[in-house]
Amino acid sequence: AQSVSQHNHHVILSEAASLELGCNYSYGGTVNLFWYVQYPGQHLQLLLKYFSGDPLVKGIKGFEAEFIKSKFSFNLRKPSVQWSDTAEYFCAVKGSNAGNMLTFGGGTRLMVKP
Amino acid sequence: DTAVSQTPKYLVTQMGNDKSIKCEQNLGHDTMYWYKQDSKKFLKIMFSYNNKELIINETVPNRFSPKSPDKAHLNLHINSLELGDSAVYFCASSQSATGGELFFGEGSRLTVL
Repeated sequence: AQSVSQHNHHVILSEAASLELGCNYSYGGTVNLFWYVQYPGQHLQLLLKYFSGDPLVKGIKGFEAEFIKSKFSFNLRKPSVQWSDTAEYFCAVKGSNAGNMLTFGGGTRLMVKP
Repeated sequence: DTAVSQTPKYLVTQMGNDKSIKCEQNLGHDTMYWYKQDSKKFLKIMFSYNNKELIINETVPNRFSPKSPDKAHLNLHINSLELGDSAVYFCASSQSATGGELFFGEGSRLTVL
């Protein structure tokens, strides 16, 4: 079975601070990895995804994530956050034998103070 | 045009009632899903349909019955609603059952009193 763990449940930052949100997964085979964002009152939107190739993935709105296979991690980063980045962030994993079933982490609530 | 649309967006009802949530996607995708997001924002898959056929059923009580009249629609009917059913239910779709990005609807917030 696949599982995802996001260690930071709540993060509060000031604008222009750097962001790193942790994500670790558990799965023995090949994985696809995703970060979704949910702005207040809205649906989930894809930030970025990793399927194969370069482990450093760049997404929308200046976000990037690095897949480190040896650490089973896929941390999300942004060098300088903005107030508009205030949202809930979800890491998700799809194992190669899991069809297209995504397993989500518990989410990290990010609040950026202006 | 909204790619994945759900109705209603808000639903408040009494325990014991039966209610339905509808979902439609205009992306031409083959696969649709229902996810439940609880009060702690934890997202968990409930069902997945591929071309109108059930392919994932994640130990959901049989009070929940999905129905897919065609591959563009996946409805969720819930019988005998309980307090614990209060959540936001998200519909999603993807190109296929084996891969592709999931596109989510805006969610349907169900409150059971």
